[in-house]
Amino acid sequence: LAKTTQPISMDSYEGQEVNITCSHNNIATNDYITWYQQFPSQGPRFIIQGYKTKVTNEVASLFIPADRKSSTLSLPRVSLSDTAVYYCLVGDTGAGNKLTFGGGTRVLVKP
Amino acid sequence: GAVVSQHPSWVICKSGTSVKIECRSLDFQATTMFWYRQFPKQSLMLMATSNEGSKATYEQGVEKDKFLINHASLTLSTLTVTSAHPEDSSFYICSATEGRNNSPLHFGNGTRLTVT
Repeated sequence: LAKTTQPISMDSYEGQEVNITCSHNNIATNDYITWYQQFPSQGPRFIIQGYKTKVTNEVASLFIPADRKSSTLSLPRVSLSDTAVYYCLVGDTGAGNKLTFGGGTRVLVKP
Repeated sequence: GAVVSQHPSWVICKSGTSVKIECRSLDFQATTMFWYRQFPKQSLMLMATSNEGSKATYEQGVEKDKFLINHASLTLSTLTVTSAHPEDSSFYICSATEGRNNSPLHFGNGTRLTVT
C-alpha cells in the first residue's frame, strides 16, 4: 500500500490559491491519485483524480510530476466554505486495493 | 454521480445493545464496500473490506465478532456493532466502489454512534 504524507495544516485567505502537496514515494504503476474533501461530521467528498501530468475540473487542478512520487492539489480562489480537511489517497480500486487514509491537511480559510 | 446512502446518520444506544448501520449504493453496483471509523480530530481508519457474497476482510486489531459485516447484495452492506460499549462511540463511514479501474471511492455521510 502506498503511504501518503501531507502537511498537517495550512492557513489561507479568501480569494487566494491554495496548493497542497502530497508525497507518495512508493506509488505503484497502476495506482491512481485521488483527493477528497471532508467537512466535520460528514463523509469525504471526491474532488479530483489523476494518473499523471495535469488534470483540471470545475473545482480544482491536480498536478502530478513525471516520477509520480508526489502530487499537488490546487484550489483556486478559495472561499470560507473551502475550510475542510483534504486527503490524498493512492491506489487502484479496480485491482481490489483497499485505500487507507493518511493524516490529511486541515485547511483554514480566513476572511 | 454515484451516490452512497448511509443510515442512520446518528444513533444513541445503551451499553450492551447492538446497532446496525446500513450502507447502500443508490445508482451503481458496488462489488466492494469499505467501512471506516473516525475519532474526533483524527483521520479515517479502515476497519474492514466488504465483498458481495463473501466474508469481510478485517484490518488488524478489529474484532470481527464485534463488528459484523454483511454484504448480501451488490447495493447493500451492513455493519452491526454488537454488545456496544462507550468506547465504541465514534463516527462510522462506509464507502463503495464500482470496481472498475480507477473508479474512485464514493462515501456515505457517516453515522455518529453514541453508546451510553
